[in-house]
Formats: sequence, structure tokens, C-alpha cells
Amino acid sequence: DAGVIQSPRHEVTEMGQEVTLRCKPISGHNSLFWYRQTMMRGLELLIYFNNNVPIDDSGMPEDRFSAKMPNASFSTLKIQPSEPRDSAVYFCASSPSGRSYNSPLHFGNGTRLTVT
Amino acid sequence: DQQVKQNSPSLSVQEGRISILNCDYTNSMFDYFLWYKKYPAEGPTFLISISSIKDKNEDGRFTVFLNKSAKHLSLHIVPSQPGDSAVYFCAASRYGNQFYFGTGTSLTVIP
Repeated sequence: DAGVIQSPRHEVTEMGQEVTLRCKPISGHNSLFWYRQTMMRGLELLIYFNNNVPIDDSGMPEDRFSAKMPNASFSTLKIQPSEPRDSAVYFCASSPSGRSYNSPLHFGNGTRLTVT
Repeated sequence: DQQVKQNSPSLSVQEGRISILNCDYTNSMFDYFLWYKKYPAEGPTFLISISSIKDKNEDGRFTVFLNKSAKHLSLHIVPSQPGDSAVYFCAASRYGNQFYFGTGTSLTVIP
């Protein structure tokens, strides 16, 4: 299994630009999560999907952030317009089921975003 | 508001000794707890978990203890090895949804 695949690994952009992060979950996993890692807050849950449907987006910091999951094998996290304080590592994770015990998350290697 | 807290940002331990990493949580409804290990430039990898119906789970050198009354869990690594040097995150969830993570503890095992 290829694991959770995220692209790009690194993204450097200027303030005000649109940024799109991509994620391919593990095949067969029906829950997908977007996290942001910062020094102050650690791994912060932004949004999660179950069977392609957004279940909880209360962690999305502002309206500038949006996420979609058009099908079971692809999700995007978009920031528009981007700001320097959005600089962080963004992780995507997937899980076999949203309502099952003993189903750990499997993480991708993250996208390091730098907004100048 | 942090529902899962790791109050020690860093820990140094001599090789061969025990490493104890601690984690506290605030939501009594959490029923599934996990520890993840993270190396630089990689995503967190699952290490060990425990459900709320247990108070201990062991996997090789790694043991997780859960104290529900104190809302506290800990990870014991014994014996510690240099390859264990990484950042360790604890996490908690309810029904396998909305996994909440702590801020991490950076473990350094000194050869």
C-alpha cells in the first residue's frame, strides 16, 4: 500500500496568492482528516470527512480556508488568499472507518507551506 | 482550547533506561487513546493505542497506561534506544472521530 499521499511536499508562495494542497487517502479508508501543525498548538484538526461528506469543519480557522472531497480517492485544502500566518505543515490523514474503535489515523508526509 | 495536553515539551533519557511520556486530557467522553511517533520531515506514525475499557496495553518495549479518573495517560519505553529519539504525540478520540492531539514531546535518547 502506498500510504497517504500528499502534494506538494513544499509550497512557497506570496501573501495574497491562492494555495491548493492535495491528498490521496489510502484506498478503502472512508474517513479523511486535515491537520495543521504549529509549535504553539501542535496538531490542530481543521476538518474531517466521512464517506466524502464534511462532518466537522469547526477547526477551519477562517473563511479563507476551504476543503473538498469530490470522491473517495482525492481531497483538497485551499487557502485563498494566503497570509504569512498560514505558514505551517499541513497533514492529511485517513482512517478505515469514522465510527469504529481501534482504527488509528494514517498520516501523509505533509506539505510545508511558507507564505512570504 | 486544548483538550489534550502534553506539558513536557522535551525529555532526555540515557540509552537503556526507561522513558516516560505523559499526557492529560479534559474530555471524559474520549474512549480511544493513541500515541504517535514523528521523525523530522515525515508524518506521524501510529505507535500504540488503548481503549477506555482497559488501563494498560503493551507492545514490545512500549506500554501505554490509562488512568481515567485522573484523565491521564502515559507511554513507557523500556529500554530506550537512540532510534526512539523523535517527537511523540498523544491523541484522543470519541468513537474514532475527531482525533485531538497534544503539542508533542521531543524525546532524545542519549547513547
